[in-house]
Amino acid sequence: EAQVTQNPRYLITVTGKKLTVTCSQNMNHEYMSWYRQDPGLGLRQIYYSMNVEVTDKGDVPEGYKVSRKEKRNFPLILESPSPNQTSLYFCASSPRGTDQPQHFGDGTRLSIL
Amino acid sequence: AQSVTQPDIHITVSEGASLELRCNYSYGATPYLFWYVQSPGQGLQLLLKYFSGDTLVQGIKGFEAEFKRSQSSFNLRKPSVHWSDAAEYFCAVARPLNRDDKIIFGKGTRLHILP
Repeated sequence: EAQVTQNPRYLITVTGKKLTVTCSQNMNHEYMSWYRQDPGLGLRQIYYSMNVEVTDKGDVPEGYKVSRKEKRNFPLILESPSPNQTSLYFCASSPRGTDQPQHFGDGTRLSIL
Repeated sequence: AQSVTQPDIHITVSEGASLELRCNYSYGATPYLFWYVQSPGQGLQLLLKYFSGDTLVQGIKGFEAEFKRSQSSFNLRKPSVHWSDAAEYFCAVARPLNRDDKIIFGKGTRLHILP
């Protein structure tokens, strides 16, 4: 089954403790991206990647890192999480880029205390 | 500057009534336009998309949307809503002539259905 898989689905942690949210897709898609969803703000793009070893900042990249060492994986790294990063996070992928629909994962709810 | 505006945060309609959700964008050329739906606790699912050609596009679940260049709009419609349509709807834009490959989402419209 074609899918985008995020882990974990839920995480409660404390300020400053490094964490990684994994994202994997099995569709051989080139484009992958991360979004955060906050009430009243919709989805905002954090980072995106057009292909392996190519990553670019979205609209809200501060406090986040990403890497794209393999085509299928696009982890989101919070080196020193803070409470304002408490949010619902989505990973998405598409075959080539923004001219094609995004396939979304089921989301990761992060709470930073 | 925000590129996508969904003016209605909440909309309530009766089951069986028609629906129109508004989306306006700001961009100098024709963007790639999408509507997604998010049911509670789930990820986003594509309803329909527009890139070029016929300005009235059909999507899944009986939805359609019309691209109006003169109004910079891409409104989503459904002639008769069902209780299962209660969800949050997002309009999204990609800008093919920009140097970036970003996707901009609107803030969403939450649809409530009255029985």
